[in-house]
Amino acid sequence: EIVLTQSPGTLSLSPGERATLSCRASQSVSSSYLAWYQQKPGQAPRLLIYGASSRATGIPDRFSGSGSGTDFTLTISRLEPEDFAVYYCQQYGSSPRGTFGQGTKVEIK
Amino acid sequence: EVQLVESGGGLVQPGRSLRLSCAASGFTFDDYAMHWVRQAPGKGLEWVSGISWNSGSIGYADSVKGRFTISRDNAKNSLYLQMNSLRAEDTALYYCAKDNSGTTRGYFDYWGQGTLVTVSS
Repeated sequence: EIVLTQSPGTLSLSPGERATLSCRASQSVSSSYLAWYQQKPGQAPRLLIYGASSRATGIPDRFSGSGSGTDFTLTISRLEPEDFAVYYCQQYGSSPRGTFGQGTKVEIK
Repeated sequence: EVQLVESGGGLVQPGRSLRLSCAASGFTFDDYAMHWVRQAPGKGLEWVSGISWNSGSIGYADSVKGRFTISRDNAKNSLYLQMNSLRAEDTALYYCAKDNSGTTRGYFDYWGQGTLVTVSS
């Protein structure tokens, strides 16, 4: 089973700054089957990125994903107030389970 | 508009059972796999179970295998999770999530708002 490790656990930044979140897999993720989700307090998770770098419908272009193999990154180019949330990576493609990372909290500095 | 509405949560004693439901609308339900994902209070996301479009492929997390059963009724656009022998560690918000594919190997493109299960005496 692939284990995903996200870092850092918490990222303290100011609005307008750039956020870089990391997701490392214990073994190679086939075909870049890596997704990112955003979860705000009291809300369900929302899909941001799939296929490591494809933005989901309606997701602003300040969100971008990159990486392959075992190392993946979610970048938020300029943080907006609504971007402060918890972000999870997920690997999929290995039936039938989808493993999540433990999450990175992006908080206001 | 895709909608997933979970129901059936509540307070239950350890060892008892509970059945969760998820009513789906806004898409062709029997084209897609579906999943249950849970989140314990203050914790991260944990995949619980997934079922393919035709129920031909089903999987469970090791933590619930042998106790939980996932099923679906395509005629009713509904997903279910039968939870038996509940434990305190099953306490969580349970989300229903739509797979982007029919096979359970996809990402989760839509999520419900969740139903809370509390296991306590």
